[in-house]
Amino acid sequence: GNSVTQMEGPVTLSEEAFLTINCTYTATGYPSLFWYVQYPGEGLQLLLKATKADDKGSNKGFEATYRKETTSFHLEKGSVQVSDSAVYFCALSDRWSAGGTSYGKLTFGQGTILTVHP
Amino acid sequence: EAEVAQSPRYKITEKSQAVAFWCDPISGHATLYWYRQILGQGPELLVQFQDESVVDDSQLPKDRFSAERLKGVDSTLKIQPAELGDSAMYLCASSLSDIETQYFGPGTRLLVL
Repeated sequence: GNSVTQMEGPVTLSEEAFLTINCTYTATGYPSLFWYVQYPGEGLQLLLKATKADDKGSNKGFEATYRKETTSFHLEKGSVQVSDSAVYFCALSDRWSAGGTSYGKLTFGQGTILTVHP
Repeated sequence: EAEVAQSPRYKITEKSQAVAFWCDPISGHATLYWYRQILGQGPELLVQFQDESVVDDSQLPKDRFSAERLKGVDSTLKIQPAELGDSAMYLCASSLSDIETQYFGPGTRLLVL
């Protein structure tokens, strides 16, 4: 079945440091890939997405490139801020079929806790 | 900007009691999802609706959990009876269709004592 593996955290950085959070996936077919962010006590917010190989998703200074050859979707940011402290989830959406109709399903990684200090 | 609404935000209950969570998706979103997120883990899908129909409830513990979306708009997730292991965050999400991006609500944090 489908699975997503993220680098283990927690990750602790100083403000303005470079961030990389690794994400690799296993899937049949051609999934879409996502990064979601969860701030303390809140639900998940979509950060960025990519729907096909070599696509680059970007938002709020974060970037991730869909690498089919390495089955990876690593999250990067050139200069983190204290406000980026949160839990980051990598996820894939793959399609499945039932009764002649196809549906999408999200599979999440376990999350990576990021703490940024001033 | 339209958001997914959930209530209550927090719920404390004793084991063997019944609890219910409510979700109002973004207007016009046909697909609605309920997830369970255990502390320190990623969300796991419990049930997926397409309009008022369940299309995937393979991970829903049907002996104690039930979900409905009677008019294809808002939805209720119920647990009866609650067990200690049900303590978690319950997240609702919606999307325009099953292949579109999912938008999440703030969640209901459940504590079973």
